[in-house]
Amino acid sequence: QKEVEQDPGPLSVPEGAIVSLNCTYSNSAFQYFMWYRQYSRKGPELLMYTYSSGNKEDGRFTAQVDKSSKYISLFIRDSQPSDSATYLCAMRAGTGNQFYFGTGTSLTVIP
Amino acid sequence: KAGVTQTPRYLIKTRGQQVTLSCSPISGHRSVSWYQQTPGQGLQFLFEYFSETQRNKGNFPGRFSGRQFSNSRSEMNVSTLELGDSALYLCASIGGGFQETQYFGPGTRLLVL
Repeated sequence: QKEVEQDPGPLSVPEGAIVSLNCTYSNSAFQYFMWYRQYSRKGPELLMYTYSSGNKEDGRFTAQVDKSSKYISLFIRDSQPSDSATYLCAMRAGTGNQFYFGTGTSLTVIP
Repeated sequence: KAGVTQTPRYLIKTRGQQVTLSCSPISGHRSVSWYQQTPGQGLQFLFEYFSETQRNKGNFPGRFSGRQFSNSRSEMNVSTLELGDSALYLCASIGGGFQETQYFGPGTRLLVL
C-alpha cells in the first residue's frame, strides 16, 4: 500500500465552480500536510501548509485535515482558468523525516 | 530572497553516459532533497541531504548518487544512463522554521537517447 493515495483525475470543471481535491494516507504519524500546484513544465510551488488537524484558508483556497480519517482536502472556490494545473498533496511525520507525495490530480478549468 | 536554482535546465544524453545535475538552495536553507518526476510514476524521492550528510534515501539503484557541499549546494549524479532515466529532476530546498517545508526549483529535464 502506498503511503499517500491521490486520485489522478483528470478533473475538468467550468469556470466559477468549486473544486475539491483529496488525498488519503496510511501513516498516522504524519503531522505536516502541504498542497503544491504544478504548471506544465514547471517545478511545484507551495500553495498551502497545515499542521495537524483543522482548516486553513487563504483567499480562494481552503485546506482541511482530518487525522482521524487520514484524509486531507483542498477546496478551490470560484475556480479560474489560471487554476488549471496539477495539484500534489504532500505530508511528513516531523522535522528530518521524508516527505511523501501523492501522484497529483490534473485539473482543467474551462472558461 | 532568490529561489532554488538548478542547472542545467535541459540535457540530452545517450545510454551509458553519466550526468551531473546541480542545485543551489535558498539562502539559509541547509537541507536539499532530490526527486525524479515522470508522467507514469509521479514524484519519486531520491535522497535528502542535510549539512553535507545524507539524511533520507529513496528506493533508487546505486547508479543514482548525490552529495552536498559546505555551502549547502548539492549535486546529483546518474551513472550508466538508461532510457528510463529520462525525466524531470527536481531539487527542493527545505526550510521555513516551524513551518518547515520544501521549496522546489524549476527542474532539470533529462532526455536519454
